[in-house]
Amino acid sequence: NAGVTQTPKFQVLKTGQSMTLQCAQDMNHEYMSWYRQDPGMGLRLIHYSVGAGITDQGEVPNGYNVSRSTTEDFPLRLLSAAPSQTSVYFCASSRQGRTGNNSPLHFGNGTRLTVT
Amino acid sequence: RKEVEQDPGPFNVPEGATVAFNCTYSNSASQSFFWYRQDCRKEPKLLMSVYSSGNEDGRFTAQLNRASQYISLLIRDSKLSDSATYLCAVTHSSNTGKLIFGQGTTLQVKP
Repeated sequence: NAGVTQTPKFQVLKTGQSMTLQCAQDMNHEYMSWYRQDPGMGLRLIHYSVGAGITDQGEVPNGYNVSRSTTEDFPLRLLSAAPSQTSVYFCASSRQGRTGNNSPLHFGNGTRLTVT
Repeated sequence: RKEVEQDPGPFNVPEGATVAFNCTYSNSASQSFFWYRQDCRKEPKLLMSVYSSGNEDGRFTAQLNRASQYISLLIRDSKLSDSATYLCAVTHSSNTGKLIFGQGTTLQVKP
């Protein structure tokens, strides 16, 4: 049981390049999300999904696209990288909880992205 | 203004001290509350959920004050290994698990 797996661990991009950060979970969790973490800003939600075929925007969605074609996978795409997207990216998943009893998020190990 | 706010610290305390962190949230519809711990350059991990009546897990006590819209985390008898960043998180939907995090509070426990 691998949990949440993110690839790559590190990436350097030039401005304007595109790339996809991969995220997969093997816990059959309905809910998946992407966060970015910058110094002093905590974790900010980029996009999230409550199930296959359903995605929605979080706090900071601009410059990022997502899709959820399967329950297991939730890739994050940067279409045209900018230096402002230099950050640590975390993917997370959780079960859908009953009212007032959401299950905790399980995080991947993170991807450290530098855009030059 | 962020929906969830924390004092970033750092809090520098000696071993054995008691330390408390607060976290305020602005959305009165918030339903579930959590404290996560994050070690340097690692992923966040759930420390504890926060229940309406307050809850305790060993040296850690979490409390919720819905009227004033804040949650708190109390750590008693601090250990060196408690040094980390503590993130509070809230969700205002019972169905999405969409967690909004605070900035995190850094704790350094010194010998």
